[in-house]
Amino acid sequence: IQLTQSPSSLSASVGDRVTITCRASQGISTYLAWYQQKPGKAPKLLIYDASTLQSGVPSRFSGSGSGTDFTLTISSLQPEDFATYYCQHLNIYPRFTFGPGTKVDIK
Amino acid sequence: EVQLLESGGGLVQPGGSLRLSCAASGFTFKKYAMSWVRQAPGKGLEWVSAVSVSGDSTYYADSVRGRFTISRDDSRNTLYLQLNSLRAADSAVYYCAKDQGYGDFTDWGQGTLVTVSS
Repeated sequence: IQLTQSPSSLSASVGDRVTITCRASQGISTYLAWYQQKPGKAPKLLIYDASTLQSGVPSRFSGSGSGTDFTLTISSLQPEDFATYYCQHLNIYPRFTFGPGTKVDIK
Repeated sequence: EVQLLESGGGLVQPGGSLRLSCAASGFTFKKYAMSWVRQAPGKGLEWVSAVSVSGDSTYYADSVRGRFTISRDDSRNTLYLQLNSLRAADSAVYYCAKDQGYGDFTDWGQGTLVTVSS
């Protein structure tokens, strides 16, 4: 199963609503997670099971989708949200594919 | 507080070997599956290997199968990755990660850099 993300990068301003899309090459139910990674840091889990917010993650982050099409939405972009975002296929049989990433930077 | 501390990275020649370690604390290590994920400089994330609770089952990405070996020592709360027959393409920061259940990695170490070069 391959994951693609769009766009590969975007420029946005503080306060903007941002949507990132992840598409799977075949249906994966809701077995999808989203991570945020800042330069020089380890990734941080934001959402799992496509739409469940990880504990401690701000509510401006949300996820949706099932099957092949998924979205990560940041309702009001904050300065600390400028980062690269990755989707990941979850599974009970480990082939934990990551998407190529979407870089969000300041407009 | 969960802590994962990787060590063992460094510069190695092509064809060489390294052993990475990940010391875990702040949680009951033996109750969780664990993985290694790597990131080449300026590139995205690549899952490398996973080990089940108890260590009975191990899994590998196609790119490393037959060359890397994952293991765990629950008495030492430590995860390992033996890297053999290293190639330039294996150069990356290697992270260990705690698996929440389905490969969703709730906690990550700070990473250890492996550089394969002559």
